[in-house]
Amino acid sequence: GNSVTQMEGPVTLSEEAFLTINCTYTATGYPSLFWYVQYPGEGLQLLLKATKADDKGSNKGFEATYRKETTSFHLEKGSVQVSDSAVYFCALTLSNSGGYQKVTFGIGTKLQVIP
Amino acid sequence: NAGVTQTPKFRVLKTGQSMTLLCAQDMNHEYMYWYRQDPGMGLRLIHYSVGEGTTAKGEVPDGYNVSRLKKQNFLLGLESAAPSQTSVYFCASSYYQKGPTSRETQYFGPGTRLLVL
Repeated sequence: GNSVTQMEGPVTLSEEAFLTINCTYTATGYPSLFWYVQYPGEGLQLLLKATKADDKGSNKGFEATYRKETTSFHLEKGSVQVSDSAVYFCALTLSNSGGYQKVTFGIGTKLQVIP
Repeated sequence: NAGVTQTPKFRVLKTGQSMTLLCAQDMNHEYMYWYRQDPGMGLRLIHYSVGEGTTAKGEVPDGYNVSRLKKQNFLLGLESAAPSQTSVYFCASSYYQKGPTSRETQYFGPGTRLLVL
């Protein structure tokens, strides 16, 4: 079956530090890859996505590149802010024959940024 | 445009009680989903719907029922709550993209925190 692997954390960084959250996946077929972010007390919201190999998704200073050869989609940001403190979920999507998109989520990585 | 809304935000139940969680979306999305979020387990799909009047089981459907009588609403019911159903419940919705390669983003509600004693 399909799966997404990411560390649970928490990852604690000082403001302006470089961030990497690793995400690797296994999938049958050619998935689209997503990073969702969940701020405290809120639902998940899309941060960025990539739909094919070598695509780079980017948003709010975050980037991730779809690496088919290493089945990875690592999230990076050059300089984190306190406001980036949240839980980050890596996810993949594949369609079944009925057109329904099944999303497989990782367990989520909690990021804490301290001033 | 409110997006996806959920009611209630928080609820405490006793074992054996029943309740219904309501999800509403104003984006005219065909697909709707119910997930539960538990520590160390990420999000797991309970049930989903690909259109008005249709529902299907997800990964963890036992103990839950759903209904989609109107396109904009998706209800999740617990007939006899158990402590194992203590969780945070998220509703989500997405567009229907015709063809075998649906790649649409899911839009999530703010969640319902349920505690079953």
